[in-house]
Amino acid sequence: EPEVTQTPSHQVTQMGQEVILRCVPISNHLYFYWYRQILGQKVEFLVSFYNNEISEKSEIFDDQFSVERPDGSNFTLKIRSTKLEDSAMYFCAGAQRELDTQYFGPGTRLTVL
Amino acid sequence: RKEVEQDPGPFNVPEGATVAFNCTYSNSASQSFFWYRQDCRKEPKLLMSVYSSGNEDGRFTAQLNRASQYISLLIRDSKLSDSATYLCVVNPSSNSGYALNFGKGTSLLVTP
Repeated sequence: EPEVTQTPSHQVTQMGQEVILRCVPISNHLYFYWYRQILGQKVEFLVSFYNNEISEKSEIFDDQFSVERPDGSNFTLKIRSTKLEDSAMYFCAGAQRELDTQYFGPGTRLTVL
Repeated sequence: RKEVEQDPGPFNVPEGATVAFNCTYSNSASQSFFWYRQDCRKEPKLLMSVYSSGNEDGRFTAQLNRASQYISLLIRDSKLSDSATYLCVVNPSSNSGYALNFGKGTSLLVTP
């Protein structure tokens, strides 16, 4: 059964550094999402992406964040200048069609020191 | 962003027990509904979609009441492996880019 993969599984970085989180969605998925979950809190939506454009972004997804699908397979989330409060699990998800079940990757744990 | 509310628990039940979780959502335009399961420090995994007519998958039964904006999950004959956090998830509408709106989750611990 195809799976969403994410790398790295754990990223430790210094405050102010740039990080890129990578995702490889399931090949026939067309709708892509990034979510984050701060330890002990609920899963929060960051951004949705379809047809090489951002469909929607939350208030969390400020100018420090960007997404790309550079080569038709990878889907990346970049945080330009990390802050302590960016420490969280970041999950990539994909779906074949709108309103379909979204399938999540295993997540990247980001720790900002 | 409108909310999805769940009782956080924890629910501690013995093996074999029946347990029910409830969830309410505030956006009446919501279009699709799910229960996801999340194990500690893992990704959310789909348990089942929830349909207006109610649906069952083995020991799990989900119900949706659109008028009351209420979703439920019933687990019969609980197993130790059912211990997890159960996330009520709503897909609000096309205006939201189909982003999922998660509840905080209900923690279940099934004991021997």
